[in-house]
Amino acid sequence: SYEMTQPLSVSVALGQTARITCGGNNIGSKSVHWYQQKAGQAPVMVIYRDTNRPSGIPERFSGSNSGNTATLTISRAQAGDEADYYCQVWDTNKVFGGGTKLTVL
Amino acid sequence: EEQLVESGGGLVQPGGSLRLSCGASGFTFNDYEMNWVRQAPGKGLEWLSYISGSGSAIYNTDSVKGRFTMSRDNAKNSVYLQMNDLRAEDTAVYYCARENTGRYNAFDVWGQGTMVTVSS
Repeated sequence: SYEMTQPLSVSVALGQTARITCGGNNIGSKSVHWYQQKAGQAPVMVIYRDTNRPSGIPERFSGSNSGNTATLTISRAQAGDEADYYCQVWDTNKVFGGGTKLTVL
Repeated sequence: EEQLVESGGGLVQPGGSLRLSCGASGFTFNDYEMNWVRQAPGKGLEWLSYISGSGSAIYNTDSVKGRFTMSRDNAKNSVYLQMNDLRAEDTAVYYCARENTGRYNAFDVWGQGTMVTVSS
């Protein structure tokens, strides 16, 4: 089955840019979705199909996908962005990456 | 407001059964495919099961095939997950999630989750 690799943790200084990667074989050929999960809460979709931001998600959140890596970028990071972030694709089944814990310093 | 609310979780002994429910409101339920996703304590998200809008197509991940069965009742705006032969490793928060084909099959609405604990 398809596998995706995310870093366990990413740290970013307040107001700086955080980049969370999701690696997978030729992932650029797939549609990648990203979810934010704050502590004790359900996941929330923040990016769909690589680059699209649903209504209500700040413009600071953006995505890209090419080759073997998809990336979620969070600009001007805020304390409220601290969360676990998961990438997800549809291969033969729905697959999630292992998740990345974002810490805002 | 588009909303999903899960119920039915609890403590069950190994080998036991449990039926989870997920009620939907705020959208035309039978227009949407639905999924169950779980999260073991301190772990990541794991997709479990999918059902089409009509209920005619159902897919499961290998780890629950033959034990878990997803169904839906469009008249009641609900989906269900029948879980049999439960094991300790099934202990998790179980989420239902709406799949939006207009958003390339992303999970755009999630319930708050219901906790299932399998223990003697």
